[in-house]
Amino acid sequence: AQKVTQAQTEISVVEKEDVTLDCVYETRDTTYYLFWYKQPPSGELVFLIRRNSFDEQNEISGRYSWNFQKSTSSFNFTITASQVVDSAVYFCALSEEHSGYALNFGKGTSLLVTP
Amino acid sequence: DTGVSQNPRHKITKRGQNVTFRCDPISEHNRLYWYRQTLGQGPEFLTYFQNEAQLEKSRLLSDRFSAERPKGSFSTLEIQRTEQGDSAMYLCASSFSDEQYFGPGTRLTVT
Repeated sequence: AQKVTQAQTEISVVEKEDVTLDCVYETRDTTYYLFWYKQPPSGELVFLIRRNSFDEQNEISGRYSWNFQKSTSSFNFTITASQVVDSAVYFCALSEEHSGYALNFGKGTSLLVTP
Repeated sequence: DTGVSQNPRHKITKRGQNVTFRCDPISEHNRLYWYRQTLGQGPEFLTYFQNEAQLEKSRLLSDRFSAERPKGSFSTLEIQRTEQGDSAMYLCASSFSDEQYFGPGTRLTVT
């Protein structure tokens, strides 16, 4: 069963629009971590953020913000004032203590930002 | 460069041949992970090491796949009798705790 669901396969926005990428996860562990990675066309996975299960505080980093809600098992990612350079595939991932913190990735959301 | 490195970056092989990939993790990282990513999909976990011990293997890792990390430093992933379905990007990541740093990957094409 898929532990991380990214329901949006592809999103296309015009530059300067805000965009939210959804992520829903499933786990029975009390200790777990959630991640977002960016994979630009070059292919390398770029770490964006990590959140542990005990910290529901939302985080903002420049134009990026993340909303972690345990009640809905969601960890959504918002890009404010999107730019063309934000075009990439974004992956949400879950790591659980019982599996040595191996990452379970969602299928990714392909974001295209057009000028 | 102190990041995770992988060699080769690209490998083209004929079906039935054996291939071996190498991953050099960040030096102080004790955990090393292998993932496979096919086109249009997210990376899928294959196996991981803590130091030299292989602690978990995914059911995706068939008998034709073997991974080693002999001295707890670099790791190798070997695929024997390659099949066309093995064509994918093979990613290595290393960590000291729960945050993993990924290498650039080895793209395998089986013809």
